Amino acid sequence: AQKITQTQPGMFVQEKEAVTLDCTYDTSDQSYGLFWYKQPSSGEMIFLIYQGSYDEQNATEGRYSLNFQKARKSANLVISASQLGDSAMYFCAMREGLQGAQKLVFGQGTRLTINP
Amino acid sequence: DGGITQSPKYLFRKEGQNVTLSCEQNLNHDAMYWYRQDPGQGLRLIYYSQIVNDFQKGDIAEGYSVSREKKESFPLTVTSAQKNPTAFYLCATEQGGSYNEQFFGPGTRLTVL
Repeated sequence: AQKITQTQPGMFVQEKEAVTLDCTYDTSDQSYGLFWYKQPSSGEMIFLIYQGSYDEQNATEGRYSLNFQKARKSANLVISASQLGDSAMYFCAMREGLQGAQKLVFGQGTRLTINP
Repeated sequence: DGGITQSPKYLFRKEGQNVTLSCEQNLNHDAMYWYRQDPGQGLRLIYYSQIVNDFQKGDIAEGYSVSREKKESFPLTVTSAQKNPTAFYLCATEQGGSYNEQFFGPGTRLTVL
């Protein structure tokens, strides 16, 4: 079974609009962490934002926020005021357990295209 | 500059050859990881290492081998046993602790001719 599901293969958004990228996850652990990474066409993975399973507040980092709905097991990324440079692949990832070197499980990704 | 370097950026291999991908870091991070990415897909874990001289298999370790003789280095060998090695390979590091993001290198694109 997929541990991380990103149901939007591609999204097209007008510049300056807000965009929500969906991510649902599956785990039986109580302790876990959720990450979003951006991958531009150059290939490097850029960390955007993190949400821990015990964090009561939604994480925010500049224009990025994570809409964490624990009961629904969703961790959607919201990008406000989108820019042309936001065009990239976006990956949601989960780590189960909080200690030590635990592996990240990645979703299939969403390709976001910002139109001028 | 602190960071992660991967070399080479592009690598071409003939079928039946072993090839080694380099990953070096000067971030003083304890853990290192190798991921494989196929076109249009997410990343899958090949191997990871939490400390020197220790490493564990990830989800798709067959046909790959690693070593961790130094904290700074975690080379990945793609052996002839790997049936479909053409992919983008990403190395990552992580500082030990309860929460830390993984930092990624620029990647190596391997093509088997």
